[in-house]
Amino acid sequence: ETGVTQSPTHLIKTRGQQVTLRCSSQSGHNTVSWYQQALGQGPQFIFQYYREEENGRGNFPPRFSGLQFPNYSSELNVNALELDDSALYLCASSGTEQFFGPGTRLTVL
Amino acid sequence: RKEVEQDPGPFNVPEGATVAFNCTYSNSASQSFFWYRQDCRKEPKLLMSVYSSGNEDGRFTAQLNRASQYISLLIRDSKLSDSATYLCVGYSGRGADGLTFGKGTHLIIQP
Repeated sequence: ETGVTQSPTHLIKTRGQQVTLRCSSQSGHNTVSWYQQALGQGPQFIFQYYREEENGRGNFPPRFSGLQFPNYSSELNVNALELDDSALYLCASSGTEQFFGPGTRLTVL
Repeated sequence: RKEVEQDPGPFNVPEGATVAFNCTYSNSASQSFFWYRQDCRKEPKLLMSVYSSGNEDGRFTAQLNRASQYISLLIRDSKLSDSATYLCVGYSGRGADGLTFGKGTHLIIQP
């Protein structure tokens, strides 16, 4: 068990909708990163939050946004969903090592 | 061109055999490298770090060749439970850059 939890485990949305995914990080870890893993691909870095501020971002458009809360839990928001957003969304909390949560599987129809 | 490239496989290997995976990277800014293991529909889990001097953990040996920008993973005496996808990962050393993953190599150990 990594101590990183994500909710929901599965989600189905339609194109154009908005979605919010949640992550509770491991106790003591103040950094949270989000990754998108499409089928057959490796995870792709979306962004990282440190002490409630975004401090790094991968090659994802602005409709991917996030939040980190004082307890270091985090949300990933995706607006105007597209079919290609269907993927496993992973969050990772890190101290000296990154620990991944089990992921949220998003299907966009 | 992707920064980390791997042969996606699948590699079908009989139980007890030795199997080797390779990975190449193109971003010389990557300072650290790792192998992660991912079981079907699960999250990636750190298998081991990779050093230029090579490192071994039981049946697993990892090696980094910076001159050739090449990373390897060797699994000896393979077990059925080794069946998984193995992800090669680079890290710049700057947390805000995140980890750079390859597509993964799918390994199937056959009885």
